[in-house]
Amino acid sequence: AQTVTQSQPEMSVQEAETVTLSCTYDTSESDYYLFWYKQPPSRQMILVIRQEAYKQQNATENRFSVNFQKAAKSFSLKISDSQLGDAAMYFCAYRSRIGNQFYFGTGTSLTVIP
Amino acid sequence: KAGVTQTPRYLIKTRGQQVTLSCSPISGHRSVSWYQQTPGQGLQFLFEYFSETQRNKGNFPGRFSGRQFSNSRSEMNVSTLELGDSALYLCASSLGSGQDEKLFFGSGTQLSVL
Repeated sequence: AQTVTQSQPEMSVQEAETVTLSCTYDTSESDYYLFWYKQPPSRQMILVIRQEAYKQQNATENRFSVNFQKAAKSFSLKISDSQLGDAAMYFCAYRSRIGNQFYFGTGTSLTVIP
Repeated sequence: KAGVTQTPRYLIKTRGQQVTLSCSPISGHRSVSWYQQTPGQGLQFLFEYFSETQRNKGNFPGRFSGRQFSNSRSEMNVSTLELGDSALYLCASSLGSGQDEKLFFGSGTQLSVL
């Protein structure tokens, strides 16, 4: 089974600064999807960004971007110009190209300091 | 368009009881997945239903079961509750019919077993 590892249980960043959250995964598949989800105190998971493994170009969504290193099986999330509303738990997730089962990491709790 | 709705939001039960959680997916979504979230464990996949059939199942004991109705609404049942079943149970829906799947989550049901 695929495994997803987030080695940073907690991170903090000053407002307006940049922070990078780490994620590594283990798989024998060559084609798959990777995701970052955000879970604010409301508990509802929100999709932040998605990367398709066969695309070399790193995905970007406004202030959020990823650094996808396929050979290293690494998928980090960079948040630029951090805002107070970015404070949340962030989960990295993996999904095979076929099938609808997602594998999640244990999460990184991000605190934004005013 | 209404999002994924989970009821109830909170539930308190005692050991040995059983519980039923409900999930209404986004209109048009035919796949419903259930996840268990505990601190330090991240999200663990329980099962997925598509068109009233269980399509995929995680590594949980038989006490955990589910079903899906013709309108795609889903229920999850846990029998003979144990203290370790205390967790946030998240439901997620998706179209379920393609490779380009994104999960949309509800706000979860927080289950406490005393």
